Amino acid sequence: DTGVSQNPRHKITKRGQNVTFRCDPISEHNRLYWYRQTLGQGPEFLTYFQNEAQLEKSRLLSDRFSAERPKGSFSTLEIQRTEQGDSAMYLCASSLLGTAEAFFGQGTRLTVV
Amino acid sequence: DQQVKQNSPSLSVQEGRISILNCDYTNSMFDYFLWYKKYPAEGPTFLISISSIKDKNEDGRFTVFLNKSAKHLSLHIVPSQPGDSAVYFCAASDNNAGNMLTFGGGTRLMVKP
Repeated sequence: DTGVSQNPRHKITKRGQNVTFRCDPISEHNRLYWYRQTLGQGPEFLTYFQNEAQLEKSRLLSDRFSAERPKGSFSTLEIQRTEQGDSAMYLCASSLLGTAEAFFGQGTRLTVV
Repeated sequence: DQQVKQNSPSLSVQEGRISILNCDYTNSMFDYFLWYKKYPAEGPTFLISISSIKDKNEDGRFTVFLNKSAKHLSLHIVPSQPGDSAVYFCAASDNNAGNMLTFGGGTRLMVKP
């Protein structure tokens, strides 16, 4: 399977704990995006990388959120000191430089209790 | 402020008939538009796209129409099939801003057999 892969698929955590999600993009894709989707809403942009460089961060990305793409391949999204409002589906997508068509993974569903 | 809006949260259509999903946008910098289909507990799946230099793009049963002056696009599905039942998201991209996608809130399409 050469699509975008996200792990874990589901994560339940207690408020105040740290969580980390991983995304493996389509191998030849330079760009990698993170989005967040809450119930009844469309996905909202969080941040994106071009190769290993993080080029843009949304104001939705508070200081508790950090993302990395150390070697320009997989990416991680960490949320520190989770809050109930962080409960959402976290989606990763990848695309080729200069194209708008982004391909999404199946997402990580985070539930903060 | 919502830059991309899908004003119909749901649409019900009889199998074999046409489904028309609508989307409006406000940002004149958007130069590429996409439709994604989403099943529950899965990530969005890319369906069809259109550049702002075109007014129509067709792919099998799916056609997207773009009216730049009205800042409006629509997705036509003909004929509709029960397997088309899903949530459809309209998304817009600005090539000069990293191609991050701005999504509408989605329209739930139900195709009745």
